[in-house]
Amino acid sequence: SAVISQKPSRDICQRGTSLTIQCQVDSQVTMMFWYRQQPGQSLTLIATANQGSEATYESGFVIDKFPISRPNLTFSTLTVSNMSPEDSSIYLCSVDTSGGPLYEQYFGPGTRLTVT
Amino acid sequence: AQSVSQHNHHVILSEAASLELGCNYSYGGTVNLFWYVQYPGQHLQLLLKYFSGDPLVKGIKGFEAEFIKSKFSFNLRKPSVQWSDTAEYFCAVFGGSQGNLIFGKGTKLSVKP
Repeated sequence: SAVISQKPSRDICQRGTSLTIQCQVDSQVTMMFWYRQQPGQSLTLIATANQGSEATYESGFVIDKFPISRPNLTFSTLTVSNMSPEDSSIYLCSVDTSGGPLYEQYFGPGTRLTVT
Repeated sequence: AQSVSQHNHHVILSEAASLELGCNYSYGGTVNLFWYVQYPGQHLQLLLKYFSGDPLVKGIKGFEAEFIKSKFSFNLRKPSVQWSDTAEYFCAVFGGSQGNLIFGKGTKLSVKP
């Protein structure tokens, strides 16, 4: 298993500003994911945070809007840039600890972002 | 691309009632299926998962799910719900392009004491 913490837990931001969300895991993991959960919608993958290389983004998400860092195997950040009200969502960090065929994915508590 | 459908947006039950939440997936090949639960104010937790073998999977807190390949379904069941089961339930399938999970929209369960 893995224990994941995220900071901040929630924030209210003004349009046009940026917010950086931190994700810390209590063990080294290979795969870290960032998801977005918009109101009334399912969790949608933003990108995979790769240690030592650029993040891999899903269609519809770009690095300029959602820059991601992964400096080591226990930490990652997601920045939501130039925010608009449409970015109001819960942002979730997730890790895969399986290292093998049994897929085990754990989630952080999420960051609830409101953009005004 | 794979997709997951959860048919019930909000289910309201009284305590001791039986529960069944529907989940259908689109992929026809080998699938790995999951149910996650999010209690109020808490993070997503794994309830149960199916990889292979017995299609009836038992999870935590008395929940079970049945994989029916012919129906592309993985419905979640509990014989008798409790007020503490009030939460949002997400069905997911493994198989995104980056090794990620693909989620349904979730079903909110409210259990009346």
